[in-house]
Amino acid sequence: DTGVSQDPRHKITKRGQNVTFRCDPISEHNRLYWYRQTLGQGPEFLTYFQNEAQLEKSRLLSDRFSAERPKGSFSTLEIQRTEQGDSAMYLCASSPVEAAYEQYFGPGTRLTVT
Amino acid sequence: AQSVTQLGSHVSVSEGALVLLRCNYSSSVPPYLFWYVQYPNQGLQLLLKYTSAATLVKGINGFEAEFKKSETSFHLTKPSAHMSDAAEYFCAPRPLNSGNTPLVFGKGTRLSVIA
Repeated sequence: DTGVSQDPRHKITKRGQNVTFRCDPISEHNRLYWYRQTLGQGPEFLTYFQNEAQLEKSRLLSDRFSAERPKGSFSTLEIQRTEQGDSAMYLCASSPVEAAYEQYFGPGTRLTVT
Repeated sequence: AQSVTQLGSHVSVSEGALVLLRCNYSSSVPPYLFWYVQYPNQGLQLLLKYTSAATLVKGINGFEAEFKKSETSFHLTKPSAHMSDAAEYFCAPRPLNSGNTPLVFGKGTRLSVIA
């Protein structure tokens, strides 16, 4: 069991640039979630997939954010025209459908927008 | 909407002392409740969960939590703190009948353990 992996672990970018993060869930899990965590706060839900279908998006997910899970395995989260307010830890989690409330988190990608 | 209140953003205990981290939920219908731990520079790890079975739930690393409906609480305890317990702890509810499964986390409580 390799767990949930995320790449990269850290990303520093200049304001206005686009960034893309990748998440590889636990292989038998068909649900995948993205959260954002800012300093001193708990994770906030962004979006989630069941297989390749994106089933829910938070109002936090502005038009500059897009997530995909094309083959129902790994997922990508892209942020276009980054802003300093996008600086945060982006966490990915996965869960099996029979225990969907039990989520397994990856180590996160820390984004710093300068 | 489901929410939780974690009392105390920072708790400091001596090594070997009792750990008590508080979580109160706001719901007329008791939800499922979870405690997660986040070690520095890592993702979250599930500590324990309440899913309407036993009210006293035992988790990993010697932690346990008791669901008290009358107090709308799900406080996390450990009899004897260890240095390795220093981390951020998050409480999260999930509605019982929710077909959607995003978790709504509390703001977290940072636990410091003093030697």
